[in-house]
Amino acid sequence: EVQLLQSGGGLVQPGDSLRLSCAASGFTFRNYAMSWVRQAPGKGLEWVSGITGSGDTTPYADSVKGRFTISRDNSKNTLYLQLNSLRAEDTAVYYCAKQEGYCSGTGCYFDYWGQGALVTVSS
Amino acid sequence: DIQMTQSPSTLSASVGDRVTITCRASQSISSWLAWYQQKPGKAPKLLIYKASSLQSGVPSRFSGSGSGTEFTLSIRSLQPDDFATYYCQHSWTFGQGTKVEIK
Repeated sequence: EVQLLQSGGGLVQPGDSLRLSCAASGFTFRNYAMSWVRQAPGKGLEWVSGITGSGDTTPYADSVKGRFTISRDNSKNTLYLQLNSLRAEDTAVYYCAKQEGYCSGTGCYFDYWGQGALVTVSS
Repeated sequence: DIQMTQSPSTLSASVGDRVTITCRASQSISSWLAWYQQKPGKAPKLLIYKASSLQSGVPSRFSGSGSGTEFTLSIRSLQPDDFATYYCQHSWTFGQGTKVEIK
């Protein structure tokens, strides 16, 4: 059974940093690209960043480029998102998701999702 | 960037109704479209991938169709568990969502 178990999140002040983790099980982690998707309170879904199975390609949404860093440790079957220089508009539930296909190519979809982690940025 | 536009944004329906949600892409995306269901406080759940393929475990009352720029998600005989928000997605872009509420 595929499982994505998230940890991290919390209340931080503007300008602070935070790291989210996503522990994967039930599939061969290194063979799959992964993504982070967020959802601001009462809003829709916004893709944040993705990473290939090998970790060599890491696209970002313009809204987080230069502030967030995605990474993975295939020996630990874990995905990470480092959030730096946080702003109030980054307040959201952050989901990790297992990816099928190539988002930068023909297309992709997200077949399994973590339970979500709430990040609140407020002074 | 390709834009995804869903309609309607809200849909009021009754149990047993057939409902249809539309998603339009700003340019052709072949069949690379997915549909998700999301309930309050929960993660999205994949329903349909590649426009018309039903994800394992999803009830057969859900179906998807379309290709190119216009796609539809249909729910045959709406059940109480189906009242939720539905999103279409292509690559890194999600539609704005359609909330299906009880009439």
